[in-house]
Amino acid sequence: DQQVKQNSPSLSVQEGRISILNCDYTNSMFDYFLWYKKYPAEGPTFLISISSIKDKNEDGRFTVFLNKSAKHLSLHIVPSQPGDSAVYFCAALNPGGGADGLTFGKGTHLIIQP
Amino acid sequence: DTAVSQTPKYLVTQMGNDKSIKCEQNLGHDTMYWYKQDSKKFLKIMFSYNNKELIINETVPNRFSPKSPDKAHLNLHINSLELGDSAVYFCASSQSHTGGVFFGSGTQLSVL
Repeated sequence: DQQVKQNSPSLSVQEGRISILNCDYTNSMFDYFLWYKKYPAEGPTFLISISSIKDKNEDGRFTVFLNKSAKHLSLHIVPSQPGDSAVYFCAALNPGGGADGLTFGKGTHLIIQP
Repeated sequence: DTAVSQTPKYLVTQMGNDKSIKCEQNLGHDTMYWYKQDSKKFLKIMFSYNNKELIINETVPNRFSPKSPDKAHLNLHINSLELGDSAVYFCASSQSHTGGVFFGSGTQLSVL
């Protein structure tokens, strides 16, 4: 029972273009969403988050959009750089707060082509 | 300075053995976690520990037990290791209710 879904296992984007990573969720009780970036042999690194009361959060080249009615969020990276090549995990915070941990999607492997 | 550190990075052992993975965070967070990344790359929570309250994911076998000597440490003990325990285990921490969970670099456990 996947409550957080990332339907694209991989995505290839040219350097300088926009990368758009998508995530869908099923549990309407999730109230906080996060994106993590993971390089091989390293732990996931927190990238950006958004509360369910917002529909957009921007941090430098990274913007997360949340569409609550569609239960969909996306991460935009612009412009894409070679160092952005990594696996990106979408995660949702369980209702009740941080002590319950996060539910993760399976990840999308982003490949930035020179 | 590493915010969340876990040791060892690699652990190779035989079935039936008992092993431990150590985790320390220097972020002053009050909540710590253990996650397991299985062969299908799913990251799933195993435990969270907050102010001496332990929350256990019911799918975790009782051969796994977290031990927290203090707020900065949450060690994972595994008894009678099985082949299916082979995975990457991640320690993490957060300041409760802020949502920003910070991860260690993972421990790759291989059970032979």
